[in-house]
Formats: sequence, structure tokens, C-alpha cells
Amino acid sequence: DAKTTQPTSMDCAEGRAANLPCNHSTISGNEYVYWYRQIHSQGPQYIIHGLKNNETNEMASLIITEDRKSSTLILPHATLRDTAVYYCIVALSGNNRLAFGKGNQVVVIP
Amino acid sequence: DAGITQSPRHKVTETGTPVTLRCHQTENHRYMYWYRQDPGHGLRLIHYSYGVKDTDKGEVSDGYSVSRSKTEDFLLTLESATSSQTSVYFCAISLHNLGGTVSGANVLTFGAGSRLTVL
Repeated sequence: DAKTTQPTSMDCAEGRAANLPCNHSTISGNEYVYWYRQIHSQGPQYIIHGLKNNETNEMASLIITEDRKSSTLILPHATLRDTAVYYCIVALSGNNRLAFGKGNQVVVIP
Repeated sequence: DAGITQSPRHKVTETGTPVTLRCHQTENHRYMYWYRQDPGHGLRLIHYSYGVKDTDKGEVSDGYSVSRSKTEDFLLTLESATSSQTSVYFCAISLHNLGGTVSGANVLTFGAGSRLTVL
């Protein structure tokens, strides 16, 4: 059973902020939200994770709703190199069995 | 990827032959993982290791065995390869703690992948 729901695909404009949604309505109180991406033919790359507070790093921002049932990954200024499959994953800390699902194919358009 | 190397990167073999894929890390990370990736299925966990000689099964472990005799090496073995094991295999590593939080155990660094074709 999928713990997260993401769009199958979406397009974003180069130079604009890209907002990638994820629904996780059955998330439990001690589960984290992790985001990874996979550029074609490469291994997945960790982006960011959070529990309930919004998080920001050099790659992206993670906004988690107050009820924690959904989140949004924000790429502040999308570039062509951000074209990738983005995975939203919910897991317990130390879970060690991350389930990647099929992800969201994001295409950044010039 | 820095600190994690998979070998071989490409291999073609015949059904019934044994195959071993190697994952080598220089990061001294405690956890190591093997995933496979197939069209329509995404990434699926095969086996993982939480220390030397400590391993556990993932969701698609049938037909695979693993060994970890040293911190830096995690081997994936297909005792008798089948065509259904044609796939891209990714190794990953993680710390138990990252920044003092156990949530860091799920911050994985992946290798570049090994493409295996079984004819």
C-alpha cells in the first residue's frame, strides 16, 4: 500500500519556483517525510527531510502542513538540470527500508 | 559518486551463471543497501546491512544473497542468474546518525548503478 501520493508527472518553467506536492494522509506522528530525486541514468540523490517543521537547505525547501497530511517540495529557481523523477517518502527514523514508489517525473521547460 | 563505488558497472551474462556485484565505500558508514530498479516498479530494496556480518532481507530478496565481511564492502550475489534479474542495481550507504538525529539513517547516498543483463 502506497503511503504517499504524488502526481505522475508535471512541467515547470525554467527560472520559476517549482512546487512539488505530496499527500501522506496516513502518516503517523513519528514518521518523517523524505525527498529524493533521480536524474536519468543516475542513482537517486537525497534532497531534504523533515518531521513537522518547515526545512530549508541549499537545494530546496520543504513545507509540511500543520496536520502533516501533505507536504510541498519547493525548488526556488528551477533549472534544466532539475529535470528528474522526484520521490516523496514517509518513514520512521532509522527505518532502513525506504519505499521509493514511482515518483513524480518533473520536466523543467525552457 | 564520491565515496561509493559499484563494480562492475555493466555486465552481460547467461541464465544459470553466478554473478557477484560489489559495492565499496570509503565513508565508514554503518548501513549499506542493495536496490534494484525496473521499469514500472521503481526502486525496490533487495537486502541491507547494518554492520559487519549483520544483514537483513528487503522486499525482493528471493534469488539473492549478500555478504559483508568488512565495513567497506557489501557484495550482492545471484547464485544462478535468471532473466527476471535483468535490472539496474544500486548500492547505497547511510549513517546511523546524521547531525545527531536518528532520522539521518534514512539519508542515503547512492552509487552510480550496475546494469546487469541476463540472456
